[in-house]
Amino acid sequence: GAVVSQHPSRVICKSGTSVKIECRSLDFQATTMFWYRQFPKKSLMLMATSNEGSKATYEQGVEKDKFLINHASLTLSTLTVTSAHPEDSSFYICSAGDRGPGEQFFGPGTRLTVL
Amino acid sequence: GEDVEQSLFLSVREGDSSVINCTYTDSSSTYLYWYKQEPGAGLQLLTYIFSNMDMKQDQRLTVLLNKKDKHLSLRIADTQTGDSAIYFCAERSNDYKLSFGAGTTVTVRA
Repeated sequence: GAVVSQHPSRVICKSGTSVKIECRSLDFQATTMFWYRQFPKKSLMLMATSNEGSKATYEQGVEKDKFLINHASLTLSTLTVTSAHPEDSSFYICSAGDRGPGEQFFGPGTRLTVL
Repeated sequence: GEDVEQSLFLSVREGDSSVINCTYTDSSSTYLYWYKQEPGAGLQLLTYIFSNMDMKQDQRLTVLLNKKDKHLSLRIADTQTGDSAIYFCAERSNDYKLSFGAGTTVTVRA
């Protein structure tokens, strides 16, 4: 299957700083990327849908000024957590795909810890 | 929004079959999926089924779909220790978004 990478895999930052997470589709072009957040022992919560060359679509309750998403190319989407606070600590997972069946490929996730 | 529910825990003896159940509410779901997540890792797509199918088999995995009852199950034959993980079912709606269940933690005991 297709490969999606995320960088960094782990990040620890101080409260008030901003953190950027990259999601890359390594061997295919992804018109759409999705960003999820996963709390411990919980399901994945869709945060936003990122389409190449256009603004991201955020799910209800997700602050778009706090979670900035940029999808500048068909192989790269970034999520920036601005002015991070301890409650933003979580596991962030991206997926990339197109509109075919079963075609959402997940990255390995990024563990964010805000002190 | 869509609601996907699944039991939280399953313990199974090595070599036995595991059955993980899932119910969903969106009758317009086009595809239904089973993902596997190992500790600290992302999600691995195990299998998927189109909504007009009743069953799909792929090696040790069998997916059954009862569309009338909105019930999906995943059977793992000859369960191995490497099958210990969290299994998520998910449905895809017409806008291509996935809705996930809370995940079933499968523990395989010797």
